[in-house]
Amino acid sequence: DVKVTQSSRYLVKRTGEKVFLECVQDMDHENMFWYRQDPGLGLRLIYFSYDVKMKEKGDIPEGYSVSREKKERFSLILESASTNQTSMYLCASGRVSVNTEAFFGQGTRLTVV
Amino acid sequence: AQSVTQLDSQVPVFEEAPVELRCNYSSSVSVYLFWYVQYPNQGLQLLLKYLSGSTLVKGINGFEAEFNKSQTSFHLRKPSVHISDTAEYFCAVSDPPTGANNLFFGTGTRLTVIP
Repeated sequence: DVKVTQSSRYLVKRTGEKVFLECVQDMDHENMFWYRQDPGLGLRLIYFSYDVKMKEKGDIPEGYSVSREKKERFSLILESASTNQTSMYLCASGRVSVNTEAFFGQGTRLTVV
Repeated sequence: AQSVTQLDSQVPVFEEAPVELRCNYSSSVSVYLFWYVQYPNQGLQLLLKYLSGSTLVKGINGFEAEFNKSQTSFHLRKPSVHISDTAEYFCAVSDPPTGANNLFFGTGTRLTVIP
């Protein structure tokens, strides 16, 4: 069964902390994505990666960075967390081919206080 | 870049009634179209997708969607909803041939099924 696993369901962090959100997929997918989900705004792409050590900025990369050292793992990093980064974060993965779809993790609800 | 409009942010409907969730996209060129569902406290799950071929696409849980190129729409329908269909529904579009390389999502429609 297809699986995308995010390391935490809920996180509470303080303003200014460095925050790591981890995502692992077991499907050998080339592509991995980080989205942010906010009420009324839908899902917005933060970063995506199409291969190990490769990354592309999405629509809202400011305040975030990513790391992909292994094919199965894609990390989202908040260098200095701020309250406006309080949100639901969704990781997804998919193949580089036509007829593809994205598979999503359960999400991490991050609260920055 | 593509954009997706889901006109209805909330749709209440009685159990066993039909429902249509509307989705329009911006591009007039070939696109791939998707509907995802998000149940409370869960990630997104694919309901159905249109890549090519027949404009009527059937998905899981009795849902279907019709691709209308001239109206750039991809509305989701179900003839008779169940309580368990209460969820948030997202329409998404991507440019072929990259498929899911970059999905553009609408803002979502919250479907509430009333007993």
